[in-house]
Amino acid sequence: EIVMTQSPATLSVSPGERATLSCRANQSISSTLAWYQQTPGQAPRLLIFGASTRAAGIPARFSGSGSGTEFTLTISSLQSEDFAVYFCQQYNSWPYTFGQGTKLEIK
Amino acid sequence: QVQLQESGPGLVKPSETLSLICTVSDGSISSYYWSWIRQSPGKGLEWIGDIYVSGNTDYNPSLKSRVTISLDTSKNQFSLKLSSVTAADTAVYFCARHHYSGWPYFTLWGPGTQVTVSS
Repeated sequence: EIVMTQSPATLSVSPGERATLSCRANQSISSTLAWYQQTPGQAPRLLIFGASTRAAGIPARFSGSGSGTEFTLTISSLQSEDFAVYFCQQYNSWPYTFGQGTKLEIK
Repeated sequence: QVQLQESGPGLVKPSETLSLICTVSDGSISSYYWSWIRQSPGKGLEWIGDIYVSGNTDYNPSLKSRVTISLDTSKNQFSLKLSSVTAADTAVYFCARHHYSGWPYFTLWGPGTQVTVSS
């Protein structure tokens, strides 16, 4: 099973600033990585797939990068609705696994 | 717009079988892969297994001995059965649809249903 590790666990950023979230796989997963956003009481929402492709309807301020074992989600100018928990997920090999999440909070 | 909705008992006794149904509304269950995923404070998000319209299934090895996922195209539903549950199976259970290509990232989710295992 591929283990996904996200850092930091909590990130405090002011609105309008940039946020950078990291996700690491314990073995290479090429670009088979997705990012999700989850707000309290809601299901996760797909943001990014293929490590860098935005899902339909996702604003351009969200961008993903990386390949192999190191991945980054960047939110260029934080809006109030962006403060949430973010998860990465690998789909390179079965079973598909998720990171433990990064909570993005208002500074 | 396609929507997913989980349904089933919110409370299950230890050693019994957890049974959930996911109903697909305003869209066909055909031509997609469908998954069950759960989320708990202790284990985070955990993929349970998936099914295709052909009936082919894949399960997480950690749960495989206890899981059955099936599909009813006539009702546009798919279901989850998890046997011999313990408190560790307490979680919010989500049903989800894979990308139309079949790649196993999840483009559509149900709102989730809380299942508690307790006597």
